[in-house]
Amino acid sequence: EAQVTQNPRYLITVTGKKLTVTCSQNMNHEYMSWYRQDPGLGLRQIYYSMNVEVTDKGDVPEGYKVSRKEKRNFPLILESPSPNQTSLYFCASSPRDSGGSYEQYFGPGTRLTVT
Amino acid sequence: AQSVSQHNHHVILSEAASLELGCNYSYGGTVNLFWYVQYPGQHLQLLLKYFSGDPLVKGIKGFEAEFIKSKFSFNLRKPSVQWSDTAEYFCAVNPDRGSTLGRLYFGRGTQLTVWP
Repeated sequence: EAQVTQNPRYLITVTGKKLTVTCSQNMNHEYMSWYRQDPGLGLRQIYYSMNVEVTDKGDVPEGYKVSRKEKRNFPLILESPSPNQTSLYFCASSPRDSGGSYEQYFGPGTRLTVT
Repeated sequence: AQSVSQHNHHVILSEAASLELGCNYSYGGTVNLFWYVQYPGQHLQLLLKYFSGDPLVKGIKGFEAEFIKSKFSFNLRKPSVQWSDTAEYFCAVNPDRGSTLGRLYFGRGTQLTVWP
């Protein structure tokens, strides 16, 4: 089944304890992206990657890191999480040119709480 | 700043009522437009998309949207809503050029509640 998977789905952690949220897609998509969703703010892009070893900042990159060593994986790293990073995180992927539409496919989400 | 605006934060309707959710964007040039739906506790799913051709786009579950270029709008409509349409709806825009190629910019979302 074509899908985007994220792990973990739920995570409660403490301030300053490094964590990684994994994202993997099995559709051979070039483009991958991370978003955070907060009430009343919609989805805001954190980082995106146009292909392997190519990453760039989105609208809210502060406090996050990413890497794209393989096409299928795009982990999100929080080196020193803080309470303002408590949020719902979505990973998404897209073929580079899905007929020109760049339709993105979303993972199930990771709910992160930082205390 | 360039943006995507959804006019209604929360819409409450009775079953069988008609629905129209507004979406305006401020990006110039060619754009690809999307409506996503998020049912309670679930991830985002694509309802419909526009990137060329007929500006009236039909999506899943009886939804449609009309792209009006002159108004920078992409409003979502459904003639008769059902209780199962209760969800949050997001408009998203992909400015199809240069460094923003492939990026999606989302509106803040509209929560639709349908009473049976």
